[in-house]
Amino acid sequence: EAAVTQSPRSKVAVTGGKVTLSCHQTNNHDYMYWYRQDTGHGLRLIHYSYVADSTEKGDIPDGYKASRPSQENFSLILELASLSQTAVYFCASSQYTEVFFGKGTRLTVV
Amino acid sequence: GQQVQQSPTSLVLQEGENAELQCNFSTSLNSMQWFYQRPGGSLISVFYNPSGTKQSGRLTSTTVIKERRSSLHISSSQITDSGTYLCAMDPNTGGLSGKLTFGEGTQVTVIS
Repeated sequence: EAAVTQSPRSKVAVTGGKVTLSCHQTNNHDYMYWYRQDTGHGLRLIHYSYVADSTEKGDIPDGYKASRPSQENFSLILELASLSQTAVYFCASSQYTEVFFGKGTRLTVV
Repeated sequence: GQQVQQSPTSLVLQEGENAELQCNFSTSLNSMQWFYQRPGGSLISVFYNPSGTKQSGRLTSTTVIKERRSSLHISSSQITDSGTYLCAMDPNTGGLSGKLTFGEGTQVTVIS
């Protein structure tokens, strides 16, 4: 069964601290993505990757870095967390017309 | 850049009623997808529908490329249909790139 697993599922971080969100897929998909969703809004693309060891900037990359060490794993890194980065973060993988999302990580920056 | 407008923002349905959700795109439409999101939950693909009409059970999606719009029709609504429906546009024409531009969603509440 296709799966995208995110960890942690929720996190409270301190302003200025470093946060790493992890994503693992077992779909054998080449493409992986990180989106953020703010309360009551749609999703916005932060970073994406077409192949291991390569990442691309999405629509709102400022303040975020990404890392894709293998086809299965894709991380989102907040080097200096800020209050404005409080949101729900979704990882996704896709191939052709298939796209699968993880269950999301609720990040609260205080 | 591309903007995606969804309407209505929310609606409440009596169980058994029908509903139509709209999605309009500001620029030319390449391919699009409808997603269902449970309250506080993940997104599930409902339809990949770049053009024409597709049906799955009680859900029907119609995309009209030249009019830059897509609709999702829910017939005989059930309580389990409650949640948020999001449409998203993909810049690719032959399948998804995954670089989706989302609308803000329509929150559907079905009551008995």
